[in-house]
Amino acid sequence: QKEVEQDPGPLSVPEGAIVSLNCTYSNSAFQYFMWYRQYSRKGPELLMYTYSSGNKEDGRFTAQVDKSSKYISLFIRDSQPSDSATYLCAMSAHGNNRLAFGKGNQVVVIP
Amino acid sequence: GAGVSQSPRYKVAKRGQDVALRCDPISGHVSLFWYQQALGQGPEFLTYFQNEAQLDKSGLPSDRFFAERPEGSVSTLKIQRTQQEDSAVYLCASSSGTYNEQFFGPGTRLTVL
Repeated sequence: QKEVEQDPGPLSVPEGAIVSLNCTYSNSAFQYFMWYRQYSRKGPELLMYTYSSGNKEDGRFTAQVDKSSKYISLFIRDSQPSDSATYLCAMSAHGNNRLAFGKGNQVVVIP
Repeated sequence: GAGVSQSPRYKVAKRGQDVALRCDPISGHVSLFWYQQALGQGPEFLTYFQNEAQLDKSGLPSDRFFAERPEGSVSTLKIQRTQQEDSAVYLCASSSGTYNEQFFGPGTRLTVL
């Protein structure tokens, strides 16, 4: 079993819809939680960075971390065609700087 | 300013050949990471440098993989005697501090025939 599980199934939504993505993890030492966006043939780009449990909002993006359930989420409001990309969750433990990634979710926003 | 750059962007190698992949981190970033991303998967950690010191190489899949950063800036990932299972995108990332944001380069897509 991988440390980070992310259902890789593609997700298609109409423009303006809310996109909901999530990951689960098994390593209770993880304290830093990130969401990256990756366009085709590009490197990952950091969207959201959260330390420990709680919510963080940045524009149309909201990240939630529930450490008790080992579950993190990303919500994208008012989705746009330009949001079409693969979204990767990533996390790391204190004292260990390597990132553990999920498989990624391909999101397609249909105009 | 300039981001992380990697070269070559694409590399085709015959099985058994040696390859060298280059990473130019963001100027002044002390931390440098290499990841391997197989098709349809998330990146997997390979190795980590702080300045010129390789502090973690636990993710390197075999002794055919070797990384260096001799002057604490540019890094090279070398793969000896390439195998088909080495085909992947190799991503380099740099950071200004241990827990700061990791900025990724565009990757080098390696295909081993």
